[in-house]
Amino acid sequence: DAGVIQSPRHEVTEMGQEVTLRCKPISGHNSLFWYRQTMMRGLELLIYFNNNVPIDDSGMPEDRFSAKMPNASFSTLKIQPSEPRDSAVYFCASSRIAGGFTDTQYFGPGTRLTVL
Amino acid sequence: AQTVTQSQPEMSVQEAETVTLSCTYDTSESNYYLFWYKQPPSRQMILVIRQEAYKQQNATENRFSVNFQKAAKSFSLKISDSQLGDTAMYFCAFMISYSNTGKLIFGQGTTLQVKP
Repeated sequence: DAGVIQSPRHEVTEMGQEVTLRCKPISGHNSLFWYRQTMMRGLELLIYFNNNVPIDDSGMPEDRFSAKMPNASFSTLKIQPSEPRDSAVYFCASSRIAGGFTDTQYFGPGTRLTVL
Repeated sequence: AQTVTQSQPEMSVQEAETVTLSCTYDTSESNYYLFWYKQPPSRQMILVIRQEAYKQQNATENRFSVNFQKAAKSFSLKISDSQLGDTAMYFCAFMISYSNTGKLIFGQGTTLQVKP
């Protein structure tokens, strides 16, 4: 079974440009999480979805960040306009929540974003 | 609120020897999971081991085992017969098991270097 798929694996862009990161969760998982990892702040949860609905976006740093999950097999994280301080590794993770019980989160390979 | 603390920022071990990574957590919940994730230089977040709080038996996965002390809120990871491929950052993480969020709380991480 395929794991969590993220694209692109690497993205280099210039300040002010729009960046879109993509994620395909594991089939059958109904929760999806976006994380950001930097040396200074470690792993931060940005937003998570349950059954395609955003549950908590309190970790999204500012209005330049937005995330969508149009269906159970696809999610995007968009940064517009991008800034150098957005440079980080962005992870997507998925898990299954059923009957109120949560399950293990499995992570994608990450996207390393560099904003010049 | 739940917190996870890893007090050892860096550790090293000789190949074939045993090493133990420490983790403590704080919670008032009674039903939860604890995890160890491994992040090698490739950046991929890999699940190493999972422990259910209601289980008294310590989880094991091949060379990896945990020492779960619920009363002390301690969850250490023991790696036996260390291999060069075990070189990575290791994250301890906590999750409430009965929840509609599946939110993971991570520690700061411990960088482990396995020396030949």
